[in-house]
Amino acid sequence: NAGVTQTPKFQVLKTGQSMTLQCAQDMNHNSMYWYRQDPGMGLRLIYYSASEGTTDKGEVPNGYNVSRLNKREFSLRLESAAPSQTSVYFCASSENVDSPLHFGNGTRLTVT
Amino acid sequence: QKEVEQNSGPLSVPEGAIASLNCTYSDRGSQSFFWYRQYSGKSPELIMFIYSNGDKEDGRFTAQLNKASQYVSLLIRDSQPSDSATYLCAVRSYSGAGSYQLTFGKGTKLSVIP
Repeated sequence: NAGVTQTPKFQVLKTGQSMTLQCAQDMNHNSMYWYRQDPGMGLRLIYYSASEGTTDKGEVPNGYNVSRLNKREFSLRLESAAPSQTSVYFCASSENVDSPLHFGNGTRLTVT
Repeated sequence: QKEVEQNSGPLSVPEGAIASLNCTYSDRGSQSFFWYRQYSGKSPELIMFIYSNGDKEDGRFTAQLNKASQYVSLLIRDSQPSDSATYLCAVRSYSGAGSYQLTFGKGTKLSVIP
């Protein structure tokens, strides 16, 4: 049972490049989330999907887009990367919106 | 803006002692409370959650909730060096229209000294 799987684990981008972070869960969870974690800032919600077919903005959505491809998969896209998007990104899932979160292993992204 | 406050630490305790980690929150209507442990360079992992006032025990961990004081704590008994990590408090509140907001504190770094 893999839980929440994120790819890639590490990525270096140049300013202006685009990329998609992939996330998949095998726990049959309804809700999925994307967070970023920066030193001194804690975990901040970028986007979430309460259920398949829905997505909503979180605290820091600017510069990002998401797609809930199906119940298992939730991707995060950076259309034009900026140095301010250098961070560690975590995908998480939960059975429902009021259930505990289970996190993936994270993607460390550096934008130069 | 809902806020969750934690002392950043580091909190240092000797091996075998009780570690007490505290968290306060601003939204009186908050409904569920979570503690996550995060080792350096790793992802957060759920330790405990608590929904009702009082204590909830799981092995060496006890979560305590006092909604009147807007305060939640985590006690770790018989602390071990392997407990050294950052502990994140998270508070979930209903934000209307079927939506819930989960707010994380910035975490308290715990160091257990052998």
